[in-house]
Amino acid sequence: QVQVVESGGGVVQPGRSLRLSCTASGFTFSNYGIHWVRQAPGKGLEWVGIIWYDGTETYYADSVKGRFTMSRDNSKDTVNLQMNSLSDADTAVYYCARGTYSTSPLMDVWGQGTTVIVSS
Amino acid sequence: EIVMTQSPATLSVSPGERATLSCRASQSISINVAWYQQKPGQAPRLLIFGASTRATDIPARFSGSGSGREFTLSISSLQSEDSATYYCQQYSDWPPRHTFGQGTKLEIK
Repeated sequence: QVQVVESGGGVVQPGRSLRLSCTASGFTFSNYGIHWVRQAPGKGLEWVGIIWYDGTETYYADSVKGRFTMSRDNSKDTVNLQMNSLSDADTAVYYCARGTYSTSPLMDVWGQGTTVIVSS
Repeated sequence: EIVMTQSPATLSVSPGERATLSCRASQSISINVAWYQQKPGQAPRLLIFGASTRATDIPARFSGSGSGREFTLSISSLQSEDSATYYCQQYSDWPPRHTFGQGTKLEIK
């Protein structure tokens, strides 16, 4: 079935790096943009960024710009989120979500999330 | 950055009644707003886009309206399964910064 699955979460010290992955199945991955959205414990949703279907464009929330980088490998149906200079404020469940088309701002297929805890 | 403000923070409504949730944008965003539903322990689900268009398989009980800065999500004939937190999201700005509102928690009495 159509799905996306996140992986790579864990506990990391402040200032360190972590890479999350989003692996898709059940659809033609190269036709769709992928978003990352995060949710801090007990808080609301925060859009993190989008990578277009072909990887040519990436856009980020101000809170992560310059620290987070998205990339994709359409031959492996995977998007990566490289997170550097992590701080407590980055502690959250990270969701990847499929855009409804190549550059769509709308998200119609969501993973179950992977948890990132930034703590010393 | 466009700020989305939702009200109320919490809403308690009886089964069978109608719930009305509001979302206000800090500047005009035309109809570039979506609504998502999130139940505890679950990922969000797309309900409405373009302010009033229901996403695939969303019941007609869910309806959206508004344009410019003011938007409303209405849920009629409330059922227990509608208990969730609802988020509005704007997608009007360029470069994209698709900000969410802070959410409205809907409780079914």
